[in-house]
Amino acid sequence: EAGVTQFPSHSVIEKGQTVTLRCDPISGHDNLYWYRRVMGKEIKFLLHFVKESKQDESGMPNNRFLAERTGGTYSTLKVQPAELEDSGVYFCASSPGTSRSDTQYFGPGTRLTVL
Amino acid sequence: LAKTTQPISMDSYEGQEVNITCSHNNIATNDYITWYQQFPSQGPRFIIQGYKTKVTNEVASLFIPADRKSSTLSLPRVSLSDTAVYYCLVGGPNSGYSTLTFGKGTMLLVSP
Repeated sequence: EAGVTQFPSHSVIEKGQTVTLRCDPISGHDNLYWYRRVMGKEIKFLLHFVKESKQDESGMPNNRFLAERTGGTYSTLKVQPAELEDSGVYFCASSPGTSRSDTQYFGPGTRLTVL
Repeated sequence: LAKTTQPISMDSYEGQEVNITCSHNNIATNDYITWYQQFPSQGPRFIIQGYKTKVTNEVASLFIPADRKSSTLSLPRVSLSDTAVYYCLVGGPNSGYSTLTFGKGTMLLVSP
């Protein structure tokens, strides 16, 4: 069974540009999560989809970040315009169920560098 | 949200048993305890999860005392490939879903 995949693995852009990250969850997983780790900090939760609906977006830093999951399959996270402090590693995770014991499976992450 | 406290780092040798203890004094009644492993340039990988007492799988064991205010991840006979960061997490209660709150983790270094 394929795991969570993310694209691209690395992205280097200039400040002010737009970048779109993609996450393909494990097939059949209704729950999809975005997390990120900025330099030297801990991994932080960004938002959570249940199918195509945003269940919790309390971790989104500001309105320059837009996440979508049309059709409840893959998800995109767009940063527009990108700022220097957006540099970091963006992780996506998915899980099948909705309980607190639900295991989240993480992708390899996308390393974003904003110059 | 329940906060976790772990050692920043630990050193071990190949073949030894490693025990990493995590404190979570504010754990809620419905929270589960989950451990993840992370290698450089990879996403966190699920190791084990438990609610109380002892859980064992092919990779590790998890010991949880009756008060659930701490837990211990036990890795039997570690190898060099077990060098990684280990995170102890407690299920977030915000929405009823398992929003993970990561701490700094424990950097385990296994030497020959």
